[in-house]
Amino acid sequence: LAKTTQPISMDSYEGQEVNITCSHNNIATNDYITWYQQFPSQGPRFIIQGYKTKVTNEVASLFIPADRKSSTLSLPRVSLSDTAVYYCLVGDITSGAGSYQLTFGKGTKLSVIP
Amino acid sequence: EPEVTQTPSHQVTQMGQEVILRCVPISNHLYFYWYRQILGQKVEFLVSFYNNEISEKSEIFDDQFSVERPDGSNFTLKIRSTKLEDSAMYFCASRPWTSDSTDTQYFGPGTRLTVL
Repeated sequence: LAKTTQPISMDSYEGQEVNITCSHNNIATNDYITWYQQFPSQGPRFIIQGYKTKVTNEVASLFIPADRKSSTLSLPRVSLSDTAVYYCLVGDITSGAGSYQLTFGKGTKLSVIP
Repeated sequence: EPEVTQTPSHQVTQMGQEVILRCVPISNHLYFYWYRQILGQKVEFLVSFYNNEISEKSEIFDDQFSVERPDGSNFTLKIRSTKLEDSAMYFCASRPWTSDSTDTQYFGPGTRLTVL
């Protein structure tokens, strides 16, 4: 499994754009990049997933450069409710019949300040 | 929006006792998982389940643990003889089968297990 590295914590003011970068130098050809969000005492929640270039949904954008050795989760105009831990995960989601297990790191603890 | 549900939300038990944690995955999902998170630590994979059998399990998932899908809707995790170190949040997750190579696991709210 490709190892991921992301900042332990980040602070941001309300209304600002937040970019969390994750490095995954050993990403394999079949690996996808997935980001999850976790609030205290809750289960992780899927945010976004991508393979290359840029992916955008109603919650966030995911930027993946051509070499795929890193990725950046972008949260537009954060609010206090975006305070959470954000996890970057890398894995081959196409292998096996549902055997894809999620391997979580320590994540990035984002604190949004009023 | 469909959700994964888990019961109970909090379970307190004595060391050595058996506990069963229950999950109702999202209907029509085909893959089921258990994870755990010890307070202040990472979310850890325990086991995956597909087609009524275990697909994969981690080193944590030893002989004290078992999973079952007894009636086509519930998905249970049993710990036969609990230890103090089993105290953690236990999350159930489910995933649909998709043909477009995307993968989303939907997590439940968790059961907080406290072993005394």
